[in-house]
Amino acid sequence: ETGVTQSPTHLIKTRGQQVTLRCSSQSGHNTVSWYQQALGQGPQFIFQYYREEENGRGNFPPRFSGLQFPNYSSELNVNALELDDSALYLCASSLVSGGAGEQYFGPGTRLTVT
Amino acid sequence: EDQVTQSPEALRLQEGESSSLNCSYTVSGLRGLFWYRQDPGKGPEFLFTLYSAGEEKEKERLKATLTKKESFLHITAPKPEDSATYLCAVQARGGAQKLVFGQGTRLTINP
Repeated sequence: ETGVTQSPTHLIKTRGQQVTLRCSSQSGHNTVSWYQQALGQGPQFIFQYYREEENGRGNFPPRFSGLQFPNYSSELNVNALELDDSALYLCASSLVSGGAGEQYFGPGTRLTVT
Repeated sequence: EDQVTQSPEALRLQEGESSSLNCSYTVSGLRGLFWYRQDPGKGPEFLFTLYSAGEEKEKERLKATLTKKESFLHITAPKPEDSATYLCAVQARGGAQKLVFGQGTRLTINP
């Protein structure tokens, strides 16, 4: 069974640029969620995709957008990067089946905005 | 608004010294409460899901319990390799299955 993978591992961008982060879900999972984790804080929910459609969104501006593909892999896009966007970005996959679905996290992408 | 508060923020124990971590929560209908372990620079690792008050789950030196307002993660005779940040999260009924996390408890076990 393949776990959740994310790429790239680290990324350095300049303020105002755009970035795309990628995630491959765990085998058999149909839902992917993205979280932002600032240093010393718990992860904050950005949004969730189920069957290629956004299924819920946290308190993040529209410049954070995403996609889910037919193979359940996903992308997180951030436009007009700001210094406060520097964080660990986590992708989590789960199987939505009516009950509480455990979410399994990837290793994360460390984004630094200068 | 769903909310999770963990205490203490940091805890330092000697090897073999048992203790408990606290997670207080408010949620509009609990679907599940989750415990994760996170090592520095890595993604959270799933430990337990608890669904209803009175439920308990165990894994090696860890035991998680749940009441209607809080959850405890009990660590019995910890070893240095148990050092990590432990995160608690809740998932509410209805809507997206999003997790609302606390800020975590940073646990250090000294040999």
